[in-house]
Amino acid sequence: GENVEQHPSTLSVQEGDSAVIKCTYSDSASNYFPWYKQELGKGPQLIIDIRSNVGEKKDQRIAVTLNKTAKHFSLHITETQPEDSAVYFCAASNRGIGGATNKLIFGTGTLLAVQP
Amino acid sequence: GAVVSQHPSRVICKSGTSVKIECRSLDFQATTMFWYRQFPKQSLMLMATSNEGSKATYEQGVEKDKFLINHASLTLSTLTVTSAHPEDSSFYICSAPLQARAFFGQGTRLTVV
Repeated sequence: GENVEQHPSTLSVQEGDSAVIKCTYSDSASNYFPWYKQELGKGPQLIIDIRSNVGEKKDQRIAVTLNKTAKHFSLHITETQPEDSAVYFCAASNRGIGGATNKLIFGTGTLLAVQP
Repeated sequence: GAVVSQHPSRVICKSGTSVKIECRSLDFQATTMFWYRQFPKQSLMLMATSNEGSKATYEQGVEKDKFLINHASLTLSTLTVTSAHPEDSSFYICSAPLQARAFFGQGTRLTVV
């Protein structure tokens, strides 16, 4: 089955700096890679996702890159702000034909702390 | 994004009692919903897939008689923790898919005393 590894487990940056979180996956059939932000005591919030037919996607200060050959994908946050502090999870799944929903396999999470 | 509502957000119960957690998709229909469990400082572990109108599919190692799932309508799935014990204390989260994306509820903190 799919296995997703995530690094680093903790990341501390100064406000305004960039943060990068990396994930690797094992199943070459995986074709959907979302990133979630989870604040303390809350459910995960989808912040960006990428499908295997593209290599990069950007949404304001957040970007995700995907390297299918190496089976890894990364989250990039630029101009970090204190409110970006949270736990970030990557995930992978194999979306079936027609976009059928298959289960997500999550990484182990990264605790991001943005120091003001 | 889509809204998934989970209730209650917190519950404390006595050992041996049962607790029901509800997961609703507020503005869309979901034939499938997912239930996760999360221990402190750990990742989300999929417990089961809830299927509307049919039996849930449980992940390996999850006791289906302990974690009863009912997906009675296209907008509601419930997870009942039966005969709860302190080791069942955890953060339970549901998700529902919309347009091939998964949206999560706000989670339920269960404490069994």
